[in-house]
Amino acid sequence: DIQMTQSPSSLSASVGDRVTITCRASQGSRDYLAWYQQKPGKVPKLLIYAVSTLQSGVPSRFSGSGSGTDFTLTISSLQPEDVATYYCQKGFTFGPGTKVDLK
Amino acid sequence: QVQLVESGGGLVKPGGSLRLSCAASRFIFSDYYMNWIRQAPGKGLEWVSYISSSGNTIYYADSVKGRFTISRDNAKNSLYLQMNSLRAEDTAMYYCARGVSAAGHLDYWGQGTLVTVSS
Repeated sequence: DIQMTQSPSSLSASVGDRVTITCRASQGSRDYLAWYQQKPGKVPKLLIYAVSTLQSGVPSRFSGSGSGTDFTLTISSLQPEDVATYYCQKGFTFGPGTKVDLK
Repeated sequence: QVQLVESGGGLVKPGGSLRLSCAASRFIFSDYYMNWIRQAPGKGLEWVSYISSSGNTIYYADSVKGRFTISRDNAKNSLYLQMNSLRAEDTAMYYCARGVSAAGHLDYWGQGTLVTVSS
C-alpha cells in the first residue's frame, strides 16, 4: 500500500502570507493526487484533483503542483477563512493532515 | 446540488453490529463509484471501503476486511455499509462520498453519521 506523508504537520501564518504544504507518496503510481480542506467541525471539501485542477468554486489563491511522489498545495495569500486542516489523497490513502492556523 | 445523507449510526457494544445507509439524490447514482470514509475523534481521514458503479468491484481497508460489507442498490439510489464485530477502534464519524473513478478523488461528501463502540 502507498504511504503518504505531509509536512509540516501544522503551521501558523499571517493573513496575506504565502503558505506551502508538501505531500510525499512512498511510491509513484497512476493515481492522481487530490487535496481536501476540512474546517473545524465541518465535512471535508475537495479543493484540487489531478494534481493541479481546481474544483469548481474554489478560490484561485489555491493551487497544486508536483509529479511522481512529491506534491505541493500552495495558498498564495492566506485568508482567515482558510484556517483548516488540509489532507492530500492518492489512491485509497490520505495523508495525515496539515493544520493551518492564523498567527 | 448533489445530496448525500447518511443514517444508521449510534452507540453499540463491542462485538455488535450496525448498518449504515447513504441516500443519494440529484445525480445519476448508478454512474458513480461510491465510498465510505471514516474519521475517528480528533484524527485524520481513513478510507474504509469503495464500490464501483455496478457493484462488481469492491475494496476494503485491511482494518475492516472480513467484518464490514459494502453494498449498493442503484434502483433505490442508496449505499450501505454493514458493520459486524465492531471494536472500540471503529468509533468514528462515517462519511459517504462520491467518487469520479476507482481510487480517485471524492467530489461530494455527506454530513456523516457517528458510530460509537463502547460498553
